[in-house]
Amino acid sequence: GAVVSQHPSWVICKSGTSVKIECRSLDFQATTMFWYRQFPKQSLMLMATSNEGSKATYEQGVEKDKFLINHASLTLSTLTVTSAHPEDSSFYICSARVNRGTGNTIYFGEGSWLTVV
Amino acid sequence: GENVEQHPSTLSVQEGDSAVIKCTYSDSASNYFPWYKQELGKRPQLIIDIRSNVGEKKDQRIAVTLNKTAKHFSLHITETQPEDSAVYFCAASKGGSYIPTFGRGTSLIVHP
Repeated sequence: GAVVSQHPSWVICKSGTSVKIECRSLDFQATTMFWYRQFPKQSLMLMATSNEGSKATYEQGVEKDKFLINHASLTLSTLTVTSAHPEDSSFYICSARVNRGTGNTIYFGEGSWLTVV
Repeated sequence: GENVEQHPSTLSVQEGDSAVIKCTYSDSASNYFPWYKQELGKRPQLIIDIRSNVGEKKDQRIAVTLNKTAKHFSLHITETQPEDSAVYFCAASKGGSYIPTFGRGTSLIVHP
């Protein structure tokens, strides 16, 4: 399958600081990437759709000023959690959409564990 | 929008038994249904998918069935093994925009 790489895999930061998570497509160009948040033992909650060269589309209830998304190239999208607080601690996963000829398929990055202390 | 319901939330089976996970969706326009397996702390991995032009797809020990009329699809795992233990997510999506809606997940436990 397609390779989507996410970095860092885990990060600990102090409350009030900002953290950037990168999502890269390694062997294909991704015009669209998705950012999810996952709490323990829960499903994947879509936060936003990241579109290359344009503004991200945020899901209802997700603060766009807090979760900044930048998709500056066809292989890189970044999620910046600004002024992080302990309640932002979670598993963040990105994914990219790939067209395999028979239709679109989603591949996920490794995920990033964020702990805010 | 699309709503995907997944059952059961937890499934415990003995090694060698079969496991079935069921999902229903609400939007009749949905036409793509992937299944993902997620081990603890790891990324979801696509294990099988089905598009609305077929009713069944099989890949070794796993199979997926789709009933468009009833708007439900199921994952079947035969001859389960301990390494099949994980959380399984179904999803449904439609059209070229392809933003999948995920079910809540099923925690499968295979006892040796």
